[in-house]
Amino acid sequence: DTEVTQTPKHLVMGMTNKKSLKCEQHMGHRAMYWYKQKAKKPPELMFVYSYEKLSINESVPSRFSPECPNSSLLNLHLHALQPEDSALYLCASSQLAAETQYFGPGTRLLVL
Amino acid sequence: GENVEQHPSTLSVQEGDSAVIKCTYSDSASNYFPWYKQELGKGPQLIIDIRSNVGEKKDQRIAVTLNKTAKHFSLHITETQPEDSAVYFCAASKASGGSYIPTFGRGTSLIVHP
Repeated sequence: DTEVTQTPKHLVMGMTNKKSLKCEQHMGHRAMYWYKQKAKKPPELMFVYSYEKLSINESVPSRFSPECPNSSLLNLHLHALQPEDSALYLCASSQLAAETQYFGPGTRLLVL
Repeated sequence: GENVEQHPSTLSVQEGDSAVIKCTYSDSASNYFPWYKQELGKGPQLIIDIRSNVGEKKDQRIAVTLNKTAKHFSLHITETQPEDSAVYFCAASKASGGSYIPTFGRGTSLIVHP
């Protein structure tokens, strides 16, 4: 089973809202990732978690707050977003120190 | 840092033709090269990958070649079908702090006409 699930599939939020994106995997992977993808562009890395600890933050604005409550779950908390934050947010996972990442279907976010 | 160039940006072929997408990378430390297919409204799906100790790998209609000296790698799809239509991303990866972080190419939109 190489499935990463993400909820919700679509999200519309105002600039004053607080919302969360959720990612889940049951492959026993100990590394999890958040990416942002704008239309017609490749995914851009935001955060990396290894053993539930944040190991890489690609200088992401503090209005994005990641959380890894356990080895299967990854959340991205959103607050006071801007319209330019509208994008597809992808979660991925991998075995620790392994090369291959498996992506979820993404959450399509629209900020009004 | 790593820089990955991908060409062409758009590729239009007739069903049954072959399609070739080419990528170059800059960092000789990169040693893992995945290819992802992304259909509209979906996340990237790994379709094939190659490691730096291998020159070629094939999986049914899909093959990847790697030239480490020239820092080139290519995706070859034979007997294309309409369901192959998608955006394809190449990537180059190396270990960084216990993780492999891919640097993606800009993507190739493949259109297969029936």
